[in-house]
Amino acid sequence: AQSVAQPEDQVNVAEGNPLTVKCTYSVSGNPYLFWYVQYPNRGLQFLLKYITGDNLVKGSYGFEAEFNKSQTSFHLKKPSALVSDSALYFCAVRGAPGAGSYQLTFGKGTKLSVIP
Amino acid sequence: DGGITQSPKYLFRKEGQNVTLSCEQNLNHDAMYWYRQDPGQGLRLIYYSQIVNDFQKGDIAEGYSVSREKKESFPLTVTSAQKNPTAFYLCASSAPGQGARGYTFGSGTRLTVV
Repeated sequence: AQSVAQPEDQVNVAEGNPLTVKCTYSVSGNPYLFWYVQYPNRGLQFLLKYITGDNLVKGSYGFEAEFNKSQTSFHLKKPSALVSDSALYFCAVRGAPGAGSYQLTFGKGTKLSVIP
Repeated sequence: DGGITQSPKYLFRKEGQNVTLSCEQNLNHDAMYWYRQDPGQGLRLIYYSQIVNDFQKGDIAEGYSVSREKKESFPLTVTSAQKNPTAFYLCASSAPGQGARGYTFGSGTRLTVV
């Protein structure tokens, strides 16, 4: 069975400082990994994904994520946080085609608060 | 533009009533999903459908029902058997053959029992 862990329920960071939101995963075979962002009373919006290739993936709004196969991690990062980045962030994983379920498994989410 | 439309955005239900949440997509996606979101509990899968006229229970299907008569539509009915229906409901879709694209989500329906 595949699973995702987001060990921090909440992350607080000062505006202008770098931010990291952590994610670790478990899946059979090579993973497809995703980050989504959710603003209050809205649906989830796609931020970025890792399928294959370069371990550092760049996405929307200046976010990036680093895939680390040995640590089974896919941490979300941004060099300089903005107050507007305050939101709920979800990590998700699925196995590669043929590895079983194509369904995404989501973490429980991490609330990011950027303090002015 | 293609996307998923959920309606209504806000819904109020009296005790003992059934209510139906609408989810329509024009992305030509085969698979559709319903999730329930409560504070601090992430997303919990209610039902999913991989193809028209077929659907499977997710982790918390009790008190809910769905239908999939058309590819574009996957309505969710919250029945009176659901004892604690107040939550934010999200619909999503995906194309199984295009797993690299992940899911597309609707904007959600907030259901409140009054």
